[in-house]
Amino acid sequence: DAGITQSPRHKVTETGTPVTLRCHQTENHRYMYWYRQDPGHGLRLIHYSYGVKDTDKGEVSDGYSVSRSKTEDFLLTLESATSSQTSVYFCAISESLQGNYNEQFFGPGTRLTVL
Amino acid sequence: AQSVAQPEDQVNVAEGNPLTVKCTYSVSGNPYLFWYVQYPNRGLQFLLKYITGDNLVKGSYGFEAEFNKSQTSFHLKKPSALVSDSALYFCAVRAAYSGAGSYQLTFGKGTKLSVIP
Repeated sequence: DAGITQSPRHKVTETGTPVTLRCHQTENHRYMYWYRQDPGHGLRLIHYSYGVKDTDKGEVSDGYSVSRSKTEDFLLTLESATSSQTSVYFCAISESLQGNYNEQFFGPGTRLTVL
Repeated sequence: AQSVAQPEDQVNVAEGNPLTVKCTYSVSGNPYLFWYVQYPNRGLQFLLKYITGDNLVKGSYGFEAEFNKSQTSFHLKKPSALVSDSALYFCAVRAAYSGAGSYQLTFGKGTKLSVIP
């Protein structure tokens, strides 16, 4: 999985509790992404980062925040988890070249269950 | 807005037969197109991409894909399917321009490929 780790790999939590997922890369890639995968929806982008402290919203950003204080780490926070945020979360990275057509490499995923 | 359609939720093919997984897309301007594969309980793995040039793109594990601009399609193909090819396949698209939101890759909903021994 291309030098990308995600932690935790599995988590069960209760509605209303805060949750932070961590993505760590050893590839020194500039871009990092958080996706969620749900049956019938494929992968949907939550937030992405194009550098340290540079982030932007994706398609389904409501209820999520992110932070990137170092090149290698990208954190996804659910401030108050809801059952609709039960999903599998994937982190991805990509390198930066002119035209930005580089493929993304994905981590192993975190399965989050909100009860 | 950009979008991807994978019209088949599931494709079944006999081992040794050719396989095709279909993908059509919609973007403003020229597309960058990608195929990924996902095995159970794993992350997505990159298979191949089309950026420009030859419409037939060759990728990992014997897969190839044909870009057809007039039909806005990017179908994934393999001449002879293996049981180990059974997995979930995703097509993805990004517009080939540099601007706000251009980093966003839009994925299809996925097609489950089952190769029957």
